[in-house]
Amino acid sequence: SQQGEEDPQALSIQEGENATMNCSYKTSINNLQWYRQNSGRGLVHLILIRSNEREKHSGRLRVTLDTSKKSSSLLITASRAADTASYFCATEGNSGYSTLTFGKGTMLLVS
Amino acid sequence: NAGVTQTPKFQVLKTGQSMTLQCAQDMNHEYMSWYRQDPGMGLRLIHYSVGAGITDQGEVPNGYNVSRSTTEDFPLRLLSAAPSQTSVYFCASSTQGGGHGYTFGSGTRLTVV
Repeated sequence: SQQGEEDPQALSIQEGENATMNCSYKTSINNLQWYRQNSGRGLVHLILIRSNEREKHSGRLRVTLDTSKKSSSLLITASRAADTASYFCATEGNSGYSTLTFGKGTMLLVS
Repeated sequence: NAGVTQTPKFQVLKTGQSMTLQCAQDMNHEYMSWYRQDPGMGLRLIHYSVGAGITDQGEVPNGYNVSRSTTEDFPLRLLSAAPSQTSVYFCASSTQGGGHGYTFGSGTRLTVV
């Protein structure tokens, strides 16, 4: 079953604007990760936030995590055409072995 | 280049045929996983391994078999291909202990006719 659910499913913005994607999950986690997938390509790891962290930055990316609401958001500032891709959140559980459970993704179009 | 290598990139099979999707990584990662990606479904875990000789089932294991005889290789076998197995397959690896991002291969696009 899917753990994460991204919102919105699709997002279309102009270059220079900020893009915000949200992710909700169902069970306790060790960490939450965001990945980017360009059309027809593999997934690329963007950023990881641990369950005891609330906010993390990496370049133009800002991730927040609210474990009480079981939700996360990914903000991409000053979007570029090259940011056009699908973005997935993935959760890593806090019991047993390390596996990732993915959401269905948000398709971002920057034009 | 260090990373995860998947072969083949494309494959067409007839129903009932068997085949092996290859996955190799050169980063000495303990954890390796196979996912399938279908339109509108995101990625779903098929099988995973936490080290040589140790494998376990994921969310959608039926019709697939894996083994892990070395740290580097984690092949995925389709025993008797069915049209429902038409998908894009991704192999991924990560270091032990969790809390690290996964490195993904470029995928194998499989069509079963």
